[in-house]
Amino acid sequence: GQQLNQSPQSMFIQEGEDVSMNCTSSSIFNTWLWYKQEPGEGPVLLIALYKAGELTSNGRLTAQFGITRKDSFLNISASIPSDVGIYFCARTPDSNYQLIWGAGTKLIIKP
Amino acid sequence: NAGVMQNPRHLVRRRGQEARLRCSPMKGHSHVYWYRQLPEEGLKFMVYLQKENIIDESGMPKERFSAEFPKEGPSILRIQQVVRGDSAAYFCASSPAAGYTGELFFGEGSRLTVL
Repeated sequence: GQQLNQSPQSMFIQEGEDVSMNCTSSSIFNTWLWYKQEPGEGPVLLIALYKAGELTSNGRLTAQFGITRKDSFLNISASIPSDVGIYFCARTPDSNYQLIWGAGTKLIIKP
Repeated sequence: NAGVMQNPRHLVRRRGQEARLRCSPMKGHSHVYWYRQLPEEGLKFMVYLQKENIIDESGMPKERFSAEFPKEGPSILRIQQVVRGDSAAYFCASSPAAGYTGELFFGEGSRLTVL
């Protein structure tokens, strides 16, 4: 259906560690988007993916559109304190413009 | 180049009152989307508008909620006779007129608290 399963729900990591999160869907689709939301703010687009297998980087962030078109992952290398926030995956279904959102992965960096 | 502007940032209403949330899209954008977000949850689509036109309101409750995007002025999300369950963050996003690619630009949100 239209659900996105995003995991993990939250992550507690040390500064400097690498982070990996992913999203899966039961149906195929054409676009994967990764957004970050900081407390009290709106989501900000990090990376957009449009083709199966596509691997895209944005600084320390890397995201890939799965070959099956049903999943995507987001990696953050060498995390820093400003990486804290909630990361959302989102996708557009084949025949609609509505964005479907995952429930988010909350990233917390331990002091 | 101003981004998507939403106001008010915070709104407190008592049950039964009306809430009006405003959104001005980015310059050059003529498509507006409204989303609702409950604490610890992702965003839920409510309504998609173009100037003077509601394109899709399938995510918006049939009663008490309405949205408009007039020829002049901001888009308005209106909630009548608010109830406690309406307490949420309401985000507006905009996109350019041509070639929607899923890259929405979001405002900072309006946080509604119903007492």
